[in-house]
Amino acid sequence: TQLLEQSPQFLSIQEGENLTVYCNSSSVFSSLQWYRQEPGEGPVLLVTVVTGGEVKKLKRLTFQFGDARKDSSLHITAAQPGDTGLYLCAALNYGGSQGNLIFGKGTKLSVKP
Amino acid sequence: GAVVSQHPSRVICKSGTSVKIECRSLDFQATTMFWYRQFPKKSLMLMATSNEGSKATYEQGVEKDKFLINHASLTLSTLTVTSAHPEDSSFYICSARGITSGRAGTQYFGPGTRLLVL
Repeated sequence: TQLLEQSPQFLSIQEGENLTVYCNSSSVFSSLQWYRQEPGEGPVLLVTVVTGGEVKKLKRLTFQFGDARKDSSLHITAAQPGDTGLYLCAALNYGGSQGNLIFGKGTKLSVKP
Repeated sequence: GAVVSQHPSRVICKSGTSVKIECRSLDFQATTMFWYRQFPKKSLMLMATSNEGSKATYEQGVEKDKFLINHASLTLSTLTVTSAHPEDSSFYICSARGITSGRAGTQYFGPGTRLLVL
């Protein structure tokens, strides 16, 4: 069974601080996705990383895919209250016949002004 | 980007009644739609996968007779919670994968439906 372990589960920081969220697995993935979800809404795709060692930047967000394609990280620089939300990593479930996504448990981020 | 809608966004019903939730892909055709359930402060758990014109595939532990899924067209899938009970209260989210995206293609998520069973 493929599992995605996310850490930390909860993170409460002050505006302006930096933070890193981790997504780890013992399985190798062809790609990994990061989503952000706000309360009462569906997840919104932030980025897909495909190549081992790949680094992608989205404004103040930096995403990295591990060299072995088993882990990924999301780093936010100078966090703002608008970054508050649930961050989810997800990957394709190779065990499934339909290519569905499996999700990590999520990291709930709260950025206080 | 691709848009997926869900209706209703919120529903409150009495125990024992059935509730239908619609998931539509608005600007693309979706051969495959996925239904997820999310409990408060938890991640998304896949319930079932539906393919247009065929029976849905349910995940282990999900009762197919309780959660009826119909994928009647390339733009619409429905989830019906039959004889709903308070423990069925949850946030239900659908996602759709485009016809040209293939098995590994991007999934687009709907905004979710909050179900409260009294």
